[in-house]
Amino acid sequence: QITLKESGPTLVKPTQTLTLTCTFSGFSLSTSGVGVGWIRQPPGKALEWLALIYWDDDKRYSPSLKSRLTITKDTSKNQVVLTMTNMDPVDTATYYCAHRVASYGYSFDYWGQGTLVTVSS
Amino acid sequence: DIQMTQSPSSLSASVGDRVTITCRASQSISSYLNWYQQKPGKAPKLLIYAASSLQSGVPSRFSGSGSGTDFTLTISSLQPEDFATYYCQQSYSTPPDTFGPGTKVDIK
Repeated sequence: QITLKESGPTLVKPTQTLTLTCTFSGFSLSTSGVGVGWIRQPPGKALEWLALIYWDDDKRYSPSLKSRLTITKDTSKNQVVLTMTNMDPVDTATYYCAHRVASYGYSFDYWGQGTLVTVSS
Repeated sequence: DIQMTQSPSSLSASVGDRVTITCRASQSISSYLNWYQQKPGKAPKLLIYAASSLQSGVPSRFSGSGSGTDFTLTISSLQPEDFATYYCQQSYSTPPDTFGPGTKVDIK
């Protein structure tokens, strides 16, 4: 059974750096073809893809946010960490991590429950 | 980036209705198109992957079709639990994957 759960601060100040951790179980990020991605959703708005890391440490970033994002993995801890620098109120959103595998059309077949991050002074 | 559009942006329907949602890509994405359902306060749920493959556990009233740039999600007989927002997502060109703007299905 695959599960993922996001953790991190619920409130950050403008210009601060956000660090979110995705802790997962039921799969290994050292298995060929497996990836974990981050997606966010501002209140009342659509989903936005942020970043992705694969089992071989291949990392992909949204071009519009690439300068602000870093994604890393700790295979031994079953964790993926996303950092986003220079936070702004427009970054207020629910942040999700999700499991991805090539055999399912590179879809996100399992999602965490999401964590709401508010950016405010 | 590949742009995704969905139509309609919202629709009202009754239980038992047949519902069709369209998703269009700005360039060909082969069959790398996925559909998700999201209910308020919940994470998205994968319904259809690779344009037409039904995710395990998803009712057979959901179906997907299309390839290239034009895709459809069909709900053959709308049930009360199907009232939600539906998103398409292209996974052909990463980065970035792109999600559509969503289609909200509510009760008529």
